[in-house]
Amino acid sequence: QVQLVQSGAEVKKPGASVKVSCKASGYTFTGYYMHWVRQAPGQGLEWMGWINPNSGGTNYAQKFQGRVTMTRDTSISTAYMELSRLRSDDTAVYYCASSGRYCSGGSCYFPFDYWGQGTLVTVSS
Amino acid sequence: QSVLTQPPSVSGAPGQRVTISCTGSSSNIGAGYDVHWYQQLPGTAPKLLIYGNSNRPSGVPDRFSGSKSGTSASLAITGLQAEDEADYYCQSYDSSLSGSVFGGGTQLTVL
Repeated sequence: QVQLVQSGAEVKKPGASVKVSCKASGYTFTGYYMHWVRQAPGQGLEWMGWINPNSGGTNYAQKFQGRVTMTRDTSISTAYMELSRLRSDDTAVYYCASSGRYCSGGSCYFPFDYWGQGTLVTVSS
Repeated sequence: QSVLTQPPSVSGAPGQRVTISCTGSSSNIGAGYDVHWYQQLPGTAPKLLIYGNSNRPSGVPDRFSGSKSGTSASLAITGLQAEDEADYYCQSYDSSLSGSVFGGGTQLTVL
């Protein structure tokens, strides 16, 4: 069965960086894009970007460009999200989510079908 | 402020029908980009509920349905059950932002 297992909670000081990992199993890691989504306490979901595990190509949300770096290690089926210059408002649960291919009625779609359990990142001085 | 607008909350009694709207613009839903819906139970990761505007993944009850028209989409839940109490999010693609966008989320309360 498909599983995305993320690294544990982190506490960081403002200005520091954090790197969250997401280990995939149960499917071909290089076959599906991996997205990162975050959720601040009591708030909604916010898309951060994706990485193509096959090519390493990335696309980051404009809000995070210059601060986020998404990488992968195909040898261990793991994706990484590093966020730098942390601020207090970066305190959130960070999720990885794979986008599978679903086809119906002649059209194909790529929703976020499998999610990691989430990693709480707390930024506090 | 989310790019896709959802009502903050909706409620209904067990057995009733509720709908959750998701309003976008000409750069996302109105441009023809598909809408997906997610259910997030308290303290858990989101779960895919509807993909491609109106399709249910395997295992999702047919009490859940989705539709899309113009610059908006809707999620309908019939035969409301206590276990449906959760937050619901719509998601699409925005060409102006060149990326995925989510609605602000709607909290469903089963009375």
